[in-house]
Amino acid sequence: EVQLVESGGGLVQPGGSLRLSCAASGFTFSSYDMHWVRQATGKGLEWVSAIGTAGDTYYPGSVKGRFTISRENGKNSLYLQMNSLRAGDTAVYYCARVASGASYYFDYWGQGTLVAVSS
Amino acid sequence: SSELTQDPAVSVALGQTVRITCQGDSLRSFYASWYQQKPGQAPILVIYGKNNRPSGIPDRFSGSSSGNTASLTITGAQAEDEADYYCNSRDRSGNHRVVFGTGTKVTVL
Repeated sequence: EVQLVESGGGLVQPGGSLRLSCAASGFTFSSYDMHWVRQATGKGLEWVSAIGTAGDTYYPGSVKGRFTISRENGKNSLYLQMNSLRAGDTAVYYCARVASGASYYFDYWGQGTLVAVSS
Repeated sequence: SSELTQDPAVSVALGQTVRITCQGDSLRSFYASWYQQKPGQAPILVIYGKNNRPSGIPDRFSGSSSGNTASLTITGAQAEDEADYYCNSRDRSGNHRVVFGTGTKVTVL
């Protein structure tokens, strides 16, 4: 059974840092592209970052230079290092797996971890 | 970056049909996928590719696409279909960048 379990969320002050983790199981982690997606309370889904199987990384302008996505295939783990956090980064952060095949879509999601940025 | 636009809310009578649309330039090049999200839960995939349903998704859910518009249709809506629905596709730039739709709240009356 495929499982994605996020951890590492919490309350952090503006300007602070936090590292999120996503523990993967039930599949060959190294063979899949992975993403982070966030959702502020009452708002829509927002793409945060992506990492390919070769370790190539991608970010939207809103987090580029502040967030770093990484993976450790030997530990079946995905990470998101978040620096210079702002109030606008407050959200539930989900990790999601990209399905294999020709189409590009997320076939599994974790349950999310809440990040709150506040003084 | 690309944008995907959805109507904020739609309502449907129990057992009737509702169509949710998603518009954006990226849809001219890439298929949309659709996700259902209920309060307090993670999104789940309901439609992907041309018109494919993951295992466990009822066949009342279907997808279609034309030009820059993708659609999700629920034929014979059930009370449990009340949820937020988001479309998603690769960004026009390709590679691994993606974009999400603004979301549609579906209310089943």
